[in-house]
Amino acid sequence: DQQVKQNSPSLSVQEGRISILNCDYTNSMFDYFLWYKKYPAEGPTFLISISSIKDKNEDGRFTVFLNKSAKHLSLHIVPSQPGDSAVYFCAASDREYGNKLVFGAGTILRVKS
Amino acid sequence: KAGVTQTPRYLIKTRGQQVTLSCSPISGHRSVSWYQQTPGQGLQFLFEYFSETQRNKGNFPGRFSGRQFSNSRSEMNVSTLELGDSALYLCASRESTGENGELFFGEGSRLTVL
Repeated sequence: DQQVKQNSPSLSVQEGRISILNCDYTNSMFDYFLWYKKYPAEGPTFLISISSIKDKNEDGRFTVFLNKSAKHLSLHIVPSQPGDSAVYFCAASDREYGNKLVFGAGTILRVKS
Repeated sequence: KAGVTQTPRYLIKTRGQQVTLSCSPISGHRSVSWYQQTPGQGLQFLFEYFSETQRNKGNFPGRFSGRQFSNSRSEMNVSTLELGDSALYLCASRESTGENGELFFGEGSRLTVL
């Protein structure tokens, strides 16, 4: 039972354009959402997060949007750079379960120069 | 501040053997979580430890176990290894459990079961 789903295994974008990575969740009790980035042979690193009381959070080139009614969140990267090429994981947590993070399967982003 | 350290980085075992992986969290972090990463499955939660107590457990068989020591270092053990246990095992730490916030991951231990 995948509670967090990233339906696009991969995404290819031209340098300078916008990258949009999507994530859907099924558990309405999730109240905190995070995006992690992972390069090969490295552990995932935190990118950006959003609480369920907000619908948008921005940090430089990265913006996360949350649509609670649709149980959907997205990560926008503008402008995309070749160094952004990595695997992006969406994660969600539920305070009732000790804020254990539940991860999606990941989306491979390739930014072409 | 040193990051999360995992040892060994790579190891090869055969079916039926057992393996122990080690994780040293960031200094001051008392919560340690373990995840299994396989292609197409993302990161699957194994368990979380805080103050030497298991606080949360994922849906893995009893062959997967862990523990945490008084210095917050953690080990996980997999007994009677199966081919499907081949994966990247990631350890992550945070200051406390039960709080929102990012996990800090180590580079992982790549286990290959032959």
